[in-house]
Amino acid sequence: AQSVAQPEDQVNVAEGNPLTVKCTYSVSGNPYLFWYVQYPNRGLQFLLKYITGDNLVKGSYGFEAEFNKSQTSFHLKKPSALVSDSALYFCAAQEGSQGNLIFGKGTKLSVKP
Amino acid sequence: EADIYQTPRYLVIGTGKKITLECSQTMGHDKMYWYQQDPGMELHLIHYSYGVNSTEKGDLSSESTVSRIRTEHFPLTLESARPSHTSQYLCASRRHYTEAFFGQGTRLTVV
Repeated sequence: AQSVAQPEDQVNVAEGNPLTVKCTYSVSGNPYLFWYVQYPNRGLQFLLKYITGDNLVKGSYGFEAEFNKSQTSFHLKKPSALVSDSALYFCAAQEGSQGNLIFGKGTKLSVKP
Repeated sequence: EADIYQTPRYLVIGTGKKITLECSQTMGHDKMYWYQQDPGMELHLIHYSYGVNSTEKGDLSSESTVSRIRTEHFPLTLESARPSHTSQYLCASRRHYTEAFFGQGTRLTVV
């Protein structure tokens, strides 16, 4: 069965430190991979995606993610965290161009001053 | 901001009432989705549509129904609301290989 795992319910980071939010996937075929962010009482906002090409993908607000096919991972990273980055982060995967999105359970990121 | 709109944003309603949550998008996307989001975060796909007159049930069993008479409109209906339906409902749309765009969500409380 296709699935997306976000192994950490919560990640705590000090402002200015690098952050990583982990994601692994299990889909057959070529995966399309996405990261979304959700602020309180809002819908999900798109951050970045991997379809093909360079394994390092850069997205909005200084975030980037690295696609690792051998480890089936797509971890979200940022070199220097901001307090305003505190939110819920969702990883999603899709099998090819036609499949539905499969979401991970989400990771709450807390950045403290 | 994406051109996808959900109304109402918040709704408190009594048990047994019929309700319809509205979702509209102006991007011409064929694919549309409804997700139910737990208070603890997780998203569950409850309905989706690949185009006009196409509707399918998602992974999570739901007592709701949907319709897709027009490309831009994908309403969700609960014939008889129950407290167990209390949740946040998120609507999304996309093309085949692009990211999904989400509405702001409807937070439903059934009392």
